[in-house]
Amino acid sequence: EIVLTQSPGTLSLSPGERATLSCRASQSVRNNYLAWYQQKPGQAPRRLISGASSRATGIPDRFSGSGSGTDFTLTISRLEPEDFAVYYCQQYDHQYGSSPWTFGQGTRVEIK
Amino acid sequence: QVQLVESGGGLVKPGGSLRLSCAASGFTFSDYYMSWIRQAPGKGLEWVSNIVGGGSIMTYADSVKGRFTISRDNAKNSLYLQMNGLRAEDTAVYYCVRANWGFDYWGQGTLVTVSS
Repeated sequence: EIVLTQSPGTLSLSPGERATLSCRASQSVRNNYLAWYQQKPGQAPRRLISGASSRATGIPDRFSGSGSGTDFTLTISRLEPEDFAVYYCQQYDHQYGSSPWTFGQGTRVEIK
Repeated sequence: QVQLVESGGGLVKPGGSLRLSCAASGFTFSDYYMSWIRQAPGKGLEWVSNIVGGGSIMTYADSVKGRFTISRDNAKNSLYLQMNGLRAEDTAVYYCVRANWGFDYWGQGTLVTVSS
Protein backbone atom coordinates (compact mmCIF):
# COMPACT_ATOMS: atom_id res chain seq x y z
CA GLU A 1 0.00 0.00 0.00
CA ILE A 2 1.25 3.48 -0.87
CA VAL A 3 1.32 5.68 2.22
CA LEU A 4 0.96 9.42 1.64
CA THR A 5 2.42 11.78 4.25
CA GLN A 6 1.37 15.42 4.15
CA SER A 7 3.25 18.29 5.74
CA PRO A 8 2.86 20.46 7.60
CA GLY A 9 -0.14 19.33 9.62
CA THR A 10 -1.29 22.91 10.04
CA LEU A 11 -0.28 26.02 8.12
CA SER A 12 -1.05 29.41 9.69
CA LEU A 13 -1.02 32.19 7.13
CA SER A 14 -2.65 35.52 6.34
CA PRO A 15 -4.81 36.33 3.32
CA GLY A 16 -2.63 37.29 0.38
CA GLU A 17 0.25 35.04 1.45
CA ARG A 18 1.54 32.03 -0.48
CA ALA A 19 0.78 28.53 0.78
CA THR A 20 2.97 25.54 -0.03
CA LEU A 21 1.66 22.09 0.92
CA SER A 22 3.69 18.91 0.60
CA CYS A 23 2.65 15.31 -0.08
CA ARG A 24 5.27 12.57 0.03
CA ALA A 25 4.57 8.99 -1.10
CA SER A 26 6.18 5.87 0.37
CA GLN A 27 6.78 4.60 -3.17
CA SER A 28 6.57 6.10 -6.62
CA VAL A 29 3.07 7.07 -7.75
CA ARG A 30 2.71 5.51 -11.17
CA ASN A 31 1.96 7.92 -14.01
CA ASN A 32 1.59 10.75 -11.46
CA TYR A 33 -1.91 9.55 -10.55
CA LEU A 34 -2.06 12.08 -7.73
CA ALA A 35 -4.97 14.40 -6.89
CA TRP A 36 -5.53 17.23 -4.42
CA TYR A 37 -8.83 18.06 -2.68
CA GLN A 38 -10.14 20.94 -0.61
CA GLN A 39 -12.66 20.36 2.18
CA LYS A 40 -14.52 23.01 4.13
CA PRO A 41 -16.47 22.27 7.34
CA GLY A 42 -19.73 20.45 6.74
CA GLN A 43 -19.04 20.00 3.03
CA ALA A 44 -17.93 17.16 0.81
CA PRO A 45 -14.40 17.46 -0.56
CA ARG A 46 -13.83 19.18 -3.90
CA ARG A 47 -11.20 18.04 -6.37
CA LEU A 48 -8.69 20.76 -7.23
CA ILE A 49 -5.94 18.96 -9.13
CA SER A 50 -5.56 15.62 -10.91
CA GLY A 51 -2.60 14.04 -12.66
CA ALA A 52 -0.41 15.94 -10.17
CA SER A 53 -0.71 19.24 -12.05
CA SER A 54 -3.98 19.55 -14.02
CA ARG A 55 -6.50 21.94 -12.51
CA ALA A 56 -10.07 20.71 -12.40
CA THR A 57 -12.79 22.66 -14.19
CA GLY A 58 -13.64 25.90 -12.44
CA ILE A 59 -10.65 25.90 -10.11
CA PRO A 60 -8.94 29.32 -9.93
CA ASP A 61 -5.45 29.57 -11.34
CA ARG A 62 -4.01 30.59 -7.97
CA PHE A 63 -4.06 26.83 -7.26
CA SER A 64 -1.25 24.85 -8.86
CA GLY A 65 0.13 21.35 -8.46
CA SER A 66 3.60 20.05 -9.20
CA GLY A 67 5.87 17.10 -8.59
CA SER A 68 6.39 13.53 -9.70
CA GLY A 69 7.46 10.16 -8.39
CA THR A 70 7.25 10.44 -4.61
CA ASP A 71 7.20 14.20 -3.98
CA PHE A 72 4.25 16.43 -4.80
CA THR A 73 3.31 20.01 -3.95
CA LEU A 74 0.13 22.06 -3.93
CA THR A 75 0.72 25.80 -4.09
CA ILE A 76 -1.85 28.52 -3.49
CA SER A 77 -0.21 31.65 -4.83
CA ARG A 78 -2.23 34.24 -2.89
CA LEU A 79 -4.61 33.06 -0.23
CA GLU A 80 -8.17 34.29 -0.47
CA PRO A 81 -10.49 34.16 2.58
CA GLU A 82 -12.37 31.20 1.05
CA ASP A 83 -9.17 29.14 0.74
CA PHE A 84 -8.86 28.49 4.46
CA ALA A 85 -9.76 24.82 4.66
CA VAL A 86 -8.29 21.32 4.91
CA TYR A 87 -6.41 19.93 1.91
CA TYR A 88 -5.85 16.26 1.09
CA CYS A 89 -3.67 14.51 -1.45
CA GLN A 90 -4.70 11.13 -2.86
CA GLN A 91 -3.21 8.55 -5.21
CA TYR A 92 -5.39 6.65 -7.67
CA ASP A 93 -3.40 4.05 -9.53
CA HIS A 94 -5.94 2.62 -12.02
CA GLN A 95 -4.30 -0.71 -12.55
CA TYR A 96 -6.30 -3.64 -11.27
CA GLY A 97 -4.59 -5.26 -8.32
CA SER A 98 -2.50 -2.19 -7.58
CA SER A 99 -2.30 -0.38 -4.30
CA PRO A 100 -5.55 0.70 -2.68
CA TRP A 101 -6.43 4.29 -3.42
CA THR A 102 -5.06 6.10 -0.38
CA PHE A 103 -5.34 9.63 1.03
CA GLY A 104 -2.86 11.68 2.98
CA GLN A 105 -3.86 12.72 6.48
CA GLY A 106 -4.56 16.32 5.44
CA THR A 107 -3.10 19.79 5.93
CA ARG A 108 -5.21 22.44 7.62
CA VAL A 109 -4.67 25.97 6.29
CA GLU A 110 -5.82 28.39 8.98
CA ILE A 111 -5.97 32.14 9.29
CA LYS A 112 -3.05 33.58 11.22
CA GLN B 1 -25.61 17.94 -14.12
CA VAL B 2 -24.02 15.11 -12.19
CA GLN B 3 -25.83 14.21 -8.98
CA LEU B 4 -25.06 11.55 -6.41
CA VAL B 5 -27.55 11.05 -3.59
CA GLU B 6 -26.82 8.64 -0.76
CA SER B 7 -29.36 7.04 1.55
CA GLY B 8 -29.55 4.28 4.13
CA GLY B 9 -27.41 5.63 6.94
CA GLY B 10 -28.47 5.53 10.55
CA LEU B 11 -27.83 4.13 14.01
CA VAL B 12 -26.94 0.45 14.28
CA LYS B 13 -25.64 -1.73 17.10
CA PRO B 14 -22.18 -3.31 16.99
CA GLY B 15 -22.29 -6.49 14.94
CA GLY B 16 -25.29 -5.25 12.98
CA SER B 17 -25.76 -4.66 9.28
CA LEU B 18 -26.71 -1.74 7.09
CA ARG B 19 -27.07 -1.22 3.34
CA LEU B 20 -26.20 2.12 1.81
CA SER B 21 -27.56 3.17 -1.56
CA CYS B 22 -26.50 5.88 -3.99
CA ALA B 23 -28.69 7.16 -6.81
CA ALA B 24 -26.69 8.59 -9.70
CA SER B 25 -27.88 10.90 -12.46
CA GLY B 26 -26.55 13.26 -15.10
CA PHE B 27 -23.97 10.92 -16.64
CA THR B 28 -23.64 7.47 -18.22
CA PHE B 29 -23.32 5.51 -14.99
CA SER B 30 -21.94 2.31 -16.47
CA ASP B 31 -18.97 4.16 -18.01
CA TYR B 32 -17.39 4.96 -14.64
CA TYR B 33 -15.67 3.33 -11.70
CA MET B 34 -17.61 4.22 -8.54
CA SER B 35 -16.32 4.36 -5.00
CA TRP B 36 -17.31 4.69 -1.37
CA ILE B 37 -15.19 6.95 0.82
CA ARG B 38 -15.77 7.57 4.50
CA GLN B 39 -14.82 10.16 7.07
CA ALA B 40 -14.99 9.50 10.79
CA PRO B 41 -16.05 12.48 12.94
CA GLY B 42 -13.22 15.02 13.06
CA LYS B 43 -10.90 12.75 11.06
CA GLY B 44 -9.52 12.52 7.53
CA LEU B 45 -10.77 10.78 4.43
CA GLU B 46 -10.55 7.01 4.05
CA TRP B 47 -11.12 5.22 0.76
CA VAL B 48 -13.36 2.19 1.39
CA SER B 49 -14.09 0.42 -1.89
CA ASN B 50 -14.14 0.67 -5.71
CA ILE B 51 -16.14 -1.10 -8.37
CA VAL B 52 -15.45 -1.00 -12.09
CA GLY B 53 -18.10 0.18 -14.55
CA GLY B 54 -19.29 -3.30 -15.50
CA GLY B 55 -19.41 -4.44 -11.89
CA SER B 56 -17.06 -7.40 -12.27
CA ILE B 57 -14.09 -6.14 -10.26
CA MET B 58 -14.26 -4.80 -6.73
CA THR B 59 -11.47 -3.59 -4.46
CA TYR B 60 -11.60 -3.00 -0.71
CA ALA B 61 -9.60 -1.35 2.02
CA ASP B 62 -8.10 -3.86 4.44
CA SER B 63 -10.18 -2.33 7.25
CA VAL B 64 -13.46 -3.49 5.65
CA LYS B 65 -12.40 -6.54 3.60
CA GLY B 66 -14.61 -9.53 4.34
CA ARG B 67 -17.29 -7.39 6.03
CA PHE B 68 -18.38 -4.90 3.35
CA THR B 69 -19.58 -5.65 -0.19
CA ILE B 70 -19.83 -3.07 -2.94
CA SER B 71 -22.21 -3.63 -5.85
CA ARG B 72 -23.99 -1.70 -8.57
CA ASP B 73 -27.08 -1.94 -10.74
CA ASN B 74 -26.36 -0.13 -13.98
CA ALA B 75 -29.97 -0.48 -15.13
CA LYS B 76 -31.03 1.52 -12.08
CA ASN B 77 -28.01 3.87 -12.04
CA SER B 78 -27.40 2.82 -8.47
CA LEU B 79 -24.44 1.98 -6.26
CA TYR B 80 -24.66 0.01 -3.03
CA LEU B 81 -22.57 -0.83 0.01
CA GLN B 82 -23.64 -3.78 2.15
CA MET B 83 -22.01 -3.43 5.55
CA ASN B 84 -22.00 -6.44 7.89
CA GLY B 85 -20.31 -7.00 11.22
CA LEU B 86 -20.28 -3.28 11.95
CA ARG B 87 -17.89 -1.94 14.56
CA ALA B 88 -17.68 1.32 16.48
CA GLU B 89 -14.74 2.34 14.29
CA ASP B 90 -16.99 2.18 11.22
CA THR B 91 -18.85 5.25 12.50
CA ALA B 92 -18.44 7.86 9.77
CA VAL B 93 -20.03 9.87 7.02
CA TYR B 94 -20.05 7.68 3.92
CA TYR B 95 -19.70 9.40 0.55
CA CYS B 96 -20.69 7.98 -2.81
CA VAL B 97 -18.10 9.20 -5.31
CA ARG B 98 -17.47 9.00 -9.04
CA ALA B 99 -13.92 7.88 -9.79
CA ASN B 100 -12.51 9.78 -12.73
CA TRP B 101 -8.88 10.97 -12.52
CA GLY B 102 -9.26 10.87 -8.79
CA PHE B 103 -12.73 11.54 -7.44
CA ASP B 104 -14.49 14.23 -9.44
CA TYR B 105 -18.06 14.16 -8.07
CA TRP B 106 -19.14 13.53 -4.49
CA GLY B 107 -22.51 13.01 -2.87
CA GLN B 108 -23.49 14.92 0.25
CA GLY B 109 -22.78 11.88 2.44
CA THR B 110 -24.83 9.72 4.78
CA LEU B 111 -23.97 9.25 8.46
CA VAL B 112 -23.53 5.76 9.87
CA THR B 113 -23.31 5.52 13.65
CA VAL B 114 -22.37 2.22 15.28
CA SER B 115 -23.20 2.30 18.96
CA SER B 116 -24.99 0.24 21.58
